[in-house]
Amino acid sequence: EAGVVQSPRYKIIEKKQPVAFWCNPISGHNTLYWYLQNLGQGPELLIRYENEEAVDDSQLPKDRFSAERLKGVDSTLKIQPAELGDSAVYLCASSLAAGSTGELFFGEGSRLTVL
Amino acid sequence: AQSVTQPDIHITVSEGASLELRCNYSYGATPYLFWYVQSPGQGLQLLLKYFSGDTLVQGIKGFEAEFKRSQSSFNLRKPSVHWSDAAEYFCAVAPGVDSSYKLIFGSGTRLLVRP
Repeated sequence: EAGVVQSPRYKIIEKKQPVAFWCNPISGHNTLYWYLQNLGQGPELLIRYENEEAVDDSQLPKDRFSAERLKGVDSTLKIQPAELGDSAVYLCASSLAAGSTGELFFGEGSRLTVL
Repeated sequence: AQSVTQPDIHITVSEGASLELRCNYSYGATPYLFWYVQSPGQGLQLLLKYFSGDTLVQGIKGFEAEFKRSQSSFNLRKPSVHWSDAAEYFCAVAPGVDSSYKLIFGSGTRLLVRP
């Protein structure tokens, strides 16, 4: 069974440029999460989707970050414009349903470097 | 507010030696507790979880953890470390199994294994 797939794995951009990350969750997983992981820190939740609905986006900086999950499967996280402080790893995770087993399955992450 | 503290940023052990990684949490009630492992360039993988019942829980790869309510701790242990265990380990807490999306992660402990 394929795991959570993210792309790109690495992205280097200059500040003020836009960037987008893509996530394909495990088949059948209704819940999708985007986490931010700064260097030396644990992941922090940015947004959670139940199917195509964003049910918790309280931690998403909405002035420059946006996300969508069309058709309730794949998801895209966008930053426009990127700032130096956005350099981090962006992790996508999925689960069968929020809290069904308490287990989230994580992708390998997209590492962003903003110059 | 909930919080998770992993007091050790780095730990180095010799291959074959025992291991204990510390985790302390701050939460009013009994939380749901998790340990995740992140190998270099990989996503986070669930090692084990505690919801209720026996306070000593077994996980994958020979790991176990013990919940101690009196100490607000959930330390991870392994009797004999293998070189492949070198990775970053994250303790996480959630307010309830149906709220596992609200996972709060500690800042992680990086395990180095000496040959």
